[in-house]
Amino acid sequence: NAGVTQTPKFRVLKTGQSMTLLCAQDMNHEYMYWYRQDPGMGLRLIHYSVGEGTTAKGEVPDGYNVSRLKKQNFLLGLESAAPSQTSVYFCASSYATAYEQYFGPGTRLTVT
Amino acid sequence: RKEVEQDPGPFNVPEGATVAFNCTYSNSASQSFFWYRQDCRKEPKLLMSVYSSGNEDGRFTAQLNRASQYISLLIRDSKLSDSATYLCVVPRETNFNKFYFGSGTKLNVKP
Repeated sequence: NAGVTQTPKFRVLKTGQSMTLLCAQDMNHEYMYWYRQDPGMGLRLIHYSVGEGTTAKGEVPDGYNVSRLKKQNFLLGLESAAPSQTSVYFCASSYATAYEQYFGPGTRLTVT
Repeated sequence: RKEVEQDPGPFNVPEGATVAFNCTYSNSASQSFFWYRQDCRKEPKLLMSVYSSGNEDGRFTAQLNRASQYISLLIRDSKLSDSATYLCVVPRETNFNKFYFGSGTKLNVKP
């Protein structure tokens, strides 16, 4: 099992550009999450999904959109990137509510 | 009280030492707790799940004190490879789909 994978691993964007981050899991987990982690700060939840076709906002959803068209995939979109979105983005999945989460390797995004 | 609080450290210990970290939490109804380790610029990796009074896995022991609302992580016979940041994670009381992440405790194990 690959677990949770993320693509791309690194990306540099110019302000105003758009991109999509892909998260895939092969553990048949219902729940998936997108977090961002900034230097010296803890993980902050952007959006999450409790099942295929559902999404919900986390703590810091502004400037991001998500989609969960297939159970195994969770996409995070940035429509118009801003320097404040420079961060490391982690995807995670879990079997059910309040269960342990498994994280992908992260995407390092720089917006100039 | 903050939702999850951890001593940021760093804890600097010699190889072979025993070290313990505490994590205090505010959600008295929580039934599950997690310890993750995070290496620099890497993803958090699950170290231990705690669903009752505690859990043990080799050199690592997690103990839950519900009365005082804290969970501890004990590492025995520390190895250089244990150097990392340890995160405490607790489900939120208003929405168990979301979690509180502690800011982490940094451990440096020195030769």
